[in-house]
Amino acid sequence: EPEVTQTPSHQVTQMGQEVILRCVPISNHLYFYWYRQILGQKVEFLVSFYNNEISEKSEIFDDQFSVERPDGSNFTLKIRSTKLEDSAMYFCASSVGTLSSYTFGSGTRLTVV
Amino acid sequence: GEDVEQSLFLSVREGDSSVINCTYTDSSSTYLYWYKQEPGAGLQLLTYIFSNMDMKQDQRLTVLLNKKDKHLSLRIADTQTGDSAIYFCAETLYGNNRLAFGKGNQVVVIP
Repeated sequence: EPEVTQTPSHQVTQMGQEVILRCVPISNHLYFYWYRQILGQKVEFLVSFYNNEISEKSEIFDDQFSVERPDGSNFTLKIRSTKLEDSAMYFCASSVGTLSSYTFGSGTRLTVV
Repeated sequence: GEDVEQSLFLSVREGDSSVINCTYTDSSSTYLYWYKQEPGAGLQLLTYIFSNMDMKQDQRLTVLLNKKDKHLSLRIADTQTGDSAIYFCAETLYGNNRLAFGKGNQVVVIP
């Protein structure tokens, strides 16, 4: 069964450093997403991406965040200057188009120290 | 805006039925979903229901939607040890492509 692959599974970074979280969506999917879950809190929407541009973003997705699809297979989330409160599990997802066909990756646990 | 609430923990004996509940606040929900997360794994879509339906059954899973009370439930019949996981309900709103999740409900199945 096709999978969404995320790397790394766990990343530790120092406050103020830039991090890039990587995702390989399912190859025939057209919509890509990032969500995050701070420990003990809800899974929160960050951003959706379609046709090489952001289609929707939440209030969490401020200027510190950016997304890119650099080569037609990877989908990345960059955090420019990490803060302690960015520590969370970050989930990538992709879909053909309808919401019932979302497929999530296993997540990257980001720890900012 | 959307707000989805779930209770946190449920313990159930293998073979019994489990029921997980969820309430939501936004009446413009279009689809409501149940996701399962096993340790170290991603969010797996279990089932979903369109907001104009009352019930959906899929093998051991039964979803009930009470739109008047904005209450969604998931019943798992004949619960197995492999059903131990965190279960999230989620909704999407009309005109919106994002999922709004609840905090999740951890289900522990006791052999």
